Amino acid sequence: AAGVIQSPRHLIKEKRETATLKCYPIPRHDTVYWYQQGPGQDPQFLISFYEKMQSDKGSIPDRFSAQQFSDYHSELNMSSLELGDSALYFCASKGLAGGPSVTDTQYFGPGTRLTVL
Amino acid sequence: SQELEQSPQSLIVQEGKNLTINCTSSKTLYGLYWYKQKYGEGLIFLMMLQKGGEEKSHEKITAKLDEKKQQSSLHITASQPSHAGIYLCGADMWGNTGKLIFGQGTTLQVKP
Repeated sequence: AAGVIQSPRHLIKEKRETATLKCYPIPRHDTVYWYQQGPGQDPQFLISFYEKMQSDKGSIPDRFSAQQFSDYHSELNMSSLELGDSALYFCASKGLAGGPSVTDTQYFGPGTRLTVL
Repeated sequence: SQELEQSPQSLIVQEGKNLTINCTSSKTLYGLYWYKQKYGEGLIFLMMLQKGGEEKSHEKITAKLDEKKQQSSLHITASQPSHAGIYLCGADMWGNTGKLIFGQGTTLQVKP
């Protein structure tokens, strides 16, 4: 079965650079969530989108922005990177009723490991 | 303070033994999710519970949500080395928003 795809899987950036993380949800999923997991920590909710509109916002820095496109993929843009932004960034998608997965269940991608030097 | 408390934080068991991981909240949970994570990798969905008193099983893993919807337990029967990893409970505390808060995780090691 198709899963959530994230790219790139690994990214190394310098301080003050920008980064773009991409997320491709499971087919027929219309909701995307972004989470940040620091070393040894639990995932923290950043932002979510439903039908291409922002639906909720968590502890996302102003330096970060995200959007969901017409094909439902999402991108997380991160600017003026700081050392503390080094983390695993997860994207999760949620299914439609009657779709190929359990309704209301978030399926997570493999994550993008961002390292800021 | 952690809104979702998991216990224990780490667990080492002998292969073949049973074990239980608990996840507790002071608030009513609208959805309780269990995920498994290998270190540095993605979260693998295990089970989701929504109704008070609900219990689900998959292979050797059983999850329960109490009647008050404030506590869940994950029980593994006859543990195997493949069960090793970090178990995370996640909960929607706002009413089907999809925004999940996670517990701090339980690291499970299974000794052959």
